[in-house]
Amino acid sequence: NAGVTQTPKFQVLKTGQSMTLQCAQDMNHEYMSWYRQDPGMGLRLIHYSVGAGITDQGEVPNGYNVSRSTTEDFPLRLLSAAPSQTSVYFCASSYSGITFTDTQYFGPGTRLTVL
Amino acid sequence: TQLLEQSPQFLSIQEGENLTVYCNSSSVFSSLQWYRQEPGEGPVLLVTVVTGGEVKKLKRLTFQFGDARKDSSLHITAAQPGDTGLYLCAGDYGTGTASKLTFGTGTRLQVTL
Repeated sequence: NAGVTQTPKFQVLKTGQSMTLQCAQDMNHEYMSWYRQDPGMGLRLIHYSVGAGITDQGEVPNGYNVSRSTTEDFPLRLLSAAPSQTSVYFCASSYSGITFTDTQYFGPGTRLTVL
Repeated sequence: TQLLEQSPQFLSIQEGENLTVYCNSSSVFSSLQWYRQEPGEGPVLLVTVVTGGEVKKLKRLTFQFGDARKDSSLHITAAQPGDTGLYLCAGDYGTGTASKLTFGTGTRLQVTL
């Protein structure tokens, strides 16, 4: 049971490049989400999904796309990277998105730098 | 956008000391969680509090949810170097079929020998 895995761990992009951050979980969790963590600002929700085929926007969705074709995978796409997207990105999952009495498990993060 | 303020932002204490970290909001939350995050890793859930006035204990850590469900505190007794890390509170202001977590800005704790 690997939990929540994220790839890559580190990435450097040039402004305007695109890339996909991968996230997978093997716990059969319905709820998955993406956060970014910036110094002094805590974690902010980008997008989330309550199940395969269903996604919704969080607090800071601009510049990011997501899809959820399977229960296990929830990739985050940057279509045209900007320096403001330099951050550490965390994927998380929990059994249910109805309430957070379920434990939410976080991946190890992807550190992204956009030059 | 809901805001969660944590205080203090930084705390450096010696082993054996006690400390309290605070988490305050202007909004009512249906539940509140506390996480600890170590460098290079994702946050790890410590506790979830749901009922106003609720107190939960996890070994030397005591968590309290305010009566009005707008604030919470984390008290550590006899801190140890292993307690070093970033402590985050996160509130759930779920408004429908899915809940969304709002995270505080964090309290960075360093415990030295």
